[in-house]
Amino acid sequence: DQQVKQNSPSLSVQEGRISILNCDYTNSMFDYFLWYKKYPAEGPTFLISISSIKDKNEDGRFTVFLNKSAKHLSLHIVPSQPGDSAVYFCAANGGATNKLIFGTGTLLAVQP
Amino acid sequence: DGGITQSPKYLFRKEGQNVTLSCEQNLNHDAMYWYRQDPGQGLRLIYYSQIVNDFQKGDIAEGYSVSREKKESFPLTVTSAQKNPTAFYLCASSIAGQGGHEQYFGPGTRLTVT
Repeated sequence: DQQVKQNSPSLSVQEGRISILNCDYTNSMFDYFLWYKKYPAEGPTFLISISSIKDKNEDGRFTVFLNKSAKHLSLHIVPSQPGDSAVYFCAANGGATNKLIFGTGTLLAVQP
Repeated sequence: DGGITQSPKYLFRKEGQNVTLSCEQNLNHDAMYWYRQDPGQGLRLIYYSQIVNDFQKGDIAEGYSVSREKKESFPLTVTSAQKNPTAFYLCASSIAGQGGHEQYFGPGTRLTVT
């Protein structure tokens, strides 16, 4: 049972344009969501997070939007740069521990 | 520099052998985690520990064992009972307790069992 889903395995965008990565979840108890970026053969690095009490969080070129009624979140990268090319994972947390449930990832390719 | 180290980067073992993967952190985090990554499956939680001398099974604990004798160390043993041990293993740490804290990851260990 996949509680966190990233339905697009890959995404290709032109440099300078917007990248939109999507994530859906099924568990309404999740109250904290995170995005991680991962290069091949490296550990994921934290990008940005959002609490369920908010619907938007922005950090530089990265913005995460949360739609609780639709159980959907998205990561916007504007403008996209070739160095953004990586696999992006969304993750969710809820409950008494800090366990994270990860999606399967979306491979973003930013074309120069 | 604060961070998480995993060693070795690449590990090769023969089928039937147990192997232990190292994870050390100097972030003073109470919580530590082990994940494995397989192609197309994202990160799956193997074991986690909220405090020294305590740990819990994650979603795919069968064939694995851990110990948490020191706050900074959380070694993972892949036993011969693990049916598909070849994978990329990631260790992470975080502030413990109720959620809302990002996990920091090590560089990973690629284990190949033949």
